Amino acid sequence: EAEVAQSPRYKITEKSQAVAFWCDPISGHATLYWYRQILGQGPELLVQFQDESVVDDSQLPKDRFSAERLKGVDSTLKIQPAELGDSAMYLCASSFDVLAGSYEQYFGPGTRLTVT
Amino acid sequence: GIQVEQSPPDLILQEGANSTLRCNFSDSVNNLQWFHQNPWGQLINLFYIPSGTKQNGRLSATTVATERYSLLYISSSQTTDSGVYFCAVGVTGNQFYFGTGTSLTVIP
Repeated sequence: EAEVAQSPRYKITEKSQAVAFWCDPISGHATLYWYRQILGQGPELLVQFQDESVVDDSQLPKDRFSAERLKGVDSTLKIQPAELGDSAMYLCASSFDVLAGSYEQYFGPGTRLTVT
Repeated sequence: GIQVEQSPPDLILQEGANSTLRCNFSDSVNNLQWFHQNPWGQLINLFYIPSGTKQNGRLSATTVATERYSLLYISSSQTTDSGVYFCAVGVTGNQFYFGTGTSLTVIP
C-alpha cells in the first residue's frame, strides 16, 4: 500500500540553527499539506500545496518558516532560525487522487522536533 | 474559520466495553475524516465519511451533515484502541480542520 514518506523521524537542534524536513506524498496525490502538532492539541495547518502552488499559508510564520514543492511532487519545510517554541511534531499529508476523485487525506509518520 | 468540537475530551473504558465519540462542527462540510493517533504519533485513517454510515470491523461511523455532527462507535474495545481520536472537517474539496481530539484509554 502506498504511503507518505517523511524524514527525518526525529531531530534535535539548538535554537538559532536551521532545520529542514522532507516529505514525499503518495504518487498521484495533487495536494500536499504540512501540519504542526503541539502535544495535547490537534494538528494545525501550516501550508497547503496544490501541485506546485501554495493555496494556503496563512498560518505559516513566514519570518522563519519556508516551504516549497518545486516539481509538484516532494516537498521541503525549513525553519531558520529555530526557536524553543518550535518544538513539536511536524506532519505531512497528501490527498486528492485525481484518477479516483477522492479527497481522503493520508499522513506520514511525522518528524518530532526538539529545540534546545 | 469552521469550529470543530469533540466530546468527551477523555474517556477511560474497561476492555470489552462500547463507546461513542462525537464531533460537532459549526458549518456545512464537504469533507470529514476520523483518525486514530497511536502512541508513536502516527495518524491512522479510520473513515472518510462526509455523510452517511460506514462500518469497518468493530468500528463504525455516522455523519449527519444537515445537523452538523458525526459519531464514531467503538464496540468491544481492546487495549490497542487506546490513543487519541481526531475528527477533521473541511468546507472545500481538499481542506481539513481538526478538532481537539478524544483521548481514549482502554484498561485490561
